Amino acid sequence: DGGITQSPKYLFRKEGQNVTLSCEQNLNHDAMYWYRQDPGQGLRLIYYSQIVNDFQKGDIAEGYSVSREKKESFPLTVTSAQKNPTAFYLCASSGQGAQGAGELFFGEGSRLTVL
Amino acid sequence: AQSVAQPEDQVNVAEGNPLTVKCTYSVSGNPYLFWYVQYPNRGLQFLLKYITGDNLVKGSYGFEAEFNKSQTSFHLKKPSALVSDSALYFCAVRDWSNYQLIWGAGTKLIIKP
Repeated sequence: DGGITQSPKYLFRKEGQNVTLSCEQNLNHDAMYWYRQDPGQGLRLIYYSQIVNDFQKGDIAEGYSVSREKKESFPLTVTSAQKNPTAFYLCASSGQGAQGAGELFFGEGSRLTVL
Repeated sequence: AQSVAQPEDQVNVAEGNPLTVKCTYSVSGNPYLFWYVQYPNRGLQFLLKYITGDNLVKGSYGFEAEFNKSQTSFHLKKPSALVSDSALYFCAVRDWSNYQLIWGAGTKLIIKP
């Protein structure tokens, strides 16, 4: 079935470590997104990519990095520069037509906890 | 500034009763409005959207939403609530400056048997 796969589902990190969250989609979507979700807050956009080899910073990009070398993949690295990385991270994608309409398809999320 | 407000952190409804989850927005330009649902520890699922046309939009799982331009609102409704409707609901509006979505903080809907 088509969809978005995020891994790992749960991740624990020690302070000072970088971690990479995987996001893969087989929907043939051009656009991909990373959001951060904290309790009681809406989703906050970290990075987005509308095409391979191109990406833009969202509202809270500091301390994060991404790459988009393949259409199917959009990994997110949480670096040691991110001061409060404990959160639920959501990856999403949309097609060109859907991007214009805002219909996003989400993965199941990755929960990162800093020990 | 463009924004979305969901004034209720939580809404409690008895099973079988109608439900309403409120959303108001502020946006420059035509409002493109969306509702998504999130079940615990899961990703979000698209429910419905308003782009243009009829002010009453029908979506998945029996949900509908009413667009009211004068009140800048886009409330989510369902005539008869199910226990399985219990979840976190997010309203979003398109930001025309970068074509991304601006999200409300979410409303937790609890349906009691």
